[in-house]
Amino acid sequence: GENVEQHPSTLSVQEGDSAVIKCTYSDSASNYFPWYKQELGKGPQLIIDIRSNVGEKKDQRIAVTLNKTAKHFSLHITETQPEDSAVYFCAALLQEAGTALIFGKGTTLSVSS
Amino acid sequence: SAVISQKPSRDICQRGTSLTIQCQVDSQVTMMFWYRQQPGQSLTLIATANQGSEATYESGFVIDKFPISRPNLTFSTLTVSNMSPEDSSIYLCSVGVGQYTGELFFGEGSRLTVL
Repeated sequence: GENVEQHPSTLSVQEGDSAVIKCTYSDSASNYFPWYKQELGKGPQLIIDIRSNVGEKKDQRIAVTLNKTAKHFSLHITETQPEDSAVYFCAALLQEAGTALIFGKGTTLSVSS
Repeated sequence: SAVISQKPSRDICQRGTSLTIQCQVDSQVTMMFWYRQQPGQSLTLIATANQGSEATYESGFVIDKFPISRPNLTFSTLTVSNMSPEDSSIYLCSVGVGQYTGELFFGEGSRLTVL
């Protein structure tokens, strides 16, 4: 089955800096890669996703890149703000299988002002 | 998207008892899954809740411990049976809508503490 590794486990940045979180996956057939943000006491919220037919996707300050050959994908947050502080999870899925997402272990991002 | 309501939001339970968590969605959904999130950990899939039939469990999870029902396309329950302190976790209901392509929406979770 799929296995997703996520690094780093914690990340501290100054407000305005960029943050990068990286994930690798094991199943080369996986074709859907979302990122979730989880704030304290809340459920995970989808913030951006990418499918295997593209290499990069942007949404304002957030971007995701995918390298299918190397089987890794990354989340990039630019101009970080204190409200970006949360736990971020990457995940992977083979969508044709109709199965659920397999998650990485999470990255705790702290943005200090 | 979908609005997912879970009950209870939190509870403190005694060892050996059972608790049923309810998940109600505001619209019919294709897929429903239950995840467990132990303190400070990632999300681990417990099972796929199948409408009108037995749930499909992941390795390490069994029906006797985590019975699941899904009587229709908007509702599911997860029971945590014969609880021990190791069952203290957040239990999350998640759904896929429409033609499921992987995008999952999560409820706020049910935080269980077992004493």
